[in-house]
Amino acid sequence: GAVVSQHPSRVICKSGTSVKIECRSLDFQATTMFWYRQFPKQSLMLMATSNEGSKATYEQGVEKDKFLINHASLTLSTLTVTSAHPEDSSFYICSARQGGNNQPQHFGDGTRLSIL
Amino acid sequence: DAKTTQPTSMDCAEGRAANLPCNHSTISGNEYVYWYRQIHSQGPQYIIHGLKNNETNEMASLIITEDRKSSTLILPHATLRDTAVYYCIVRVMGSARQLTFGSGTQLTVLP
Repeated sequence: GAVVSQHPSRVICKSGTSVKIECRSLDFQATTMFWYRQFPKQSLMLMATSNEGSKATYEQGVEKDKFLINHASLTLSTLTVTSAHPEDSSFYICSARQGGNNQPQHFGDGTRLSIL
Repeated sequence: DAKTTQPTSMDCAEGRAANLPCNHSTISGNEYVYWYRQIHSQGPQYIIHGLKNNETNEMASLIITEDRKSSTLILPHATLRDTAVYYCIVRVMGSARQLTFGSGTQLTVLP
């Protein structure tokens, strides 16, 4: 149980395009999902917290107009990187918590985004 | 959430037990210890968590000292597929906040 599916696993696109990444909790409902970013040889950094039915909460330094988050249902959150540039190339990982706050977070397998 | 300290890297022979230490000397009574690992180019994988009692599951054992200031994750029979970065994370009980990742320990299992 507690499977988080992320799609696509890899994206390569031209500078200026927008890219949408989907995160689904397959066998549980998640009122809260988290989006992380990881640069090479670095640890995961939280970008935003996605709450079902309300606006996402962004971490300091993360542009909400560039990284659009939608959490329209209890099993789906999407991250759209708008007008992507080479510096946005990174490994994006979503996470969801099954059940109460003391339960562990489960992570998707990540999306490798490469902007040319 | 309390800060954790882990060694940067460790090696372990295949088939032997891997013991990964973590110091969390400022841990509070209402904070859990969580362990995750991240295999290269994959998302983090939950391993185990505990409050004060030792815990065991199909993946690993978690030993927490009586004063709760440190813990050890034990992989009883390490395989090559256990090579990964292992993260020890302390988190307040009942908190709705996300997990915060440190640098972790790069465990390399050697053939």
